[in-house]
Amino acid sequence: GAGVSQSPSNKVTEKGKDVELRCDPISGHTALYWYRQSLGQGLEFLIYFQGNSAPDKSGLPSDRFSAERTGGSVSTLTIQRTQQEDSAVYLCASSFLLPGTGELFFGEGSRLTVL
Amino acid sequence: TQLLEQSPQFLSIQEGENLTVYCNSSSVFSSLQWYRQEPGEGPVLLVTVVTGGEVKKLKRLTFQFGDARKDSSLHITAAQPGDTGLYLCAGAKGSNYKLTFGKGTLLTVNP
Repeated sequence: GAGVSQSPSNKVTEKGKDVELRCDPISGHTALYWYRQSLGQGLEFLIYFQGNSAPDKSGLPSDRFSAERTGGSVSTLTIQRTQQEDSAVYLCASSFLLPGTGELFFGEGSRLTVL
Repeated sequence: TQLLEQSPQFLSIQEGENLTVYCNSSSVFSSLQWYRQEPGEGPVLLVTVVTGGEVKKLKRLTFQFGDARKDSSLHITAAQPGDTGLYLCAGAKGSNYKLTFGKGTLLTVNP
């Protein structure tokens, strides 16, 4: 497809387990972002990639969160030892231009529920 | 501290009514974007405003960027059920790649 693809769309896991969320951005988009959206909250910035590099990881909530991007394309967000407060929708977006100039194209999100 | 405050948080109106939602900040932004998000989907860009005092129209939607580039409003004329969704404003500062999002206004337009 032509849009940003995320998988899984839904993930239910038990507290303490690790999860991996995948994002396949639009081809040619060098910038990739992960945001987290919790009920009643806005979109919380997690991490930004330019190519395979992550110049800003400041939004990652704890060291249980990590992300990588390979080949300037697919990105994986990994949450280790999940906690109930990690439950949220994790949104991936890609862009060709810097935000504020161009458009962020979002995927449909991965809904994570930690029991 | 929420950098971008959106109001109202919830809005439920009847089809055909007009409405305005607001996005306010104490900070200056180089540009501001409005997105609409429908259930189960990611946000979709509606408009980008970059000049203080700028007004943009998109069919029945009118967007305004404040003169001081600290606030913005979205006015919808003759709302339709298809306008239902979460409206998010997002600000960018200079070449900063990090968009700051408000919490959104959840609009419901009843037929």
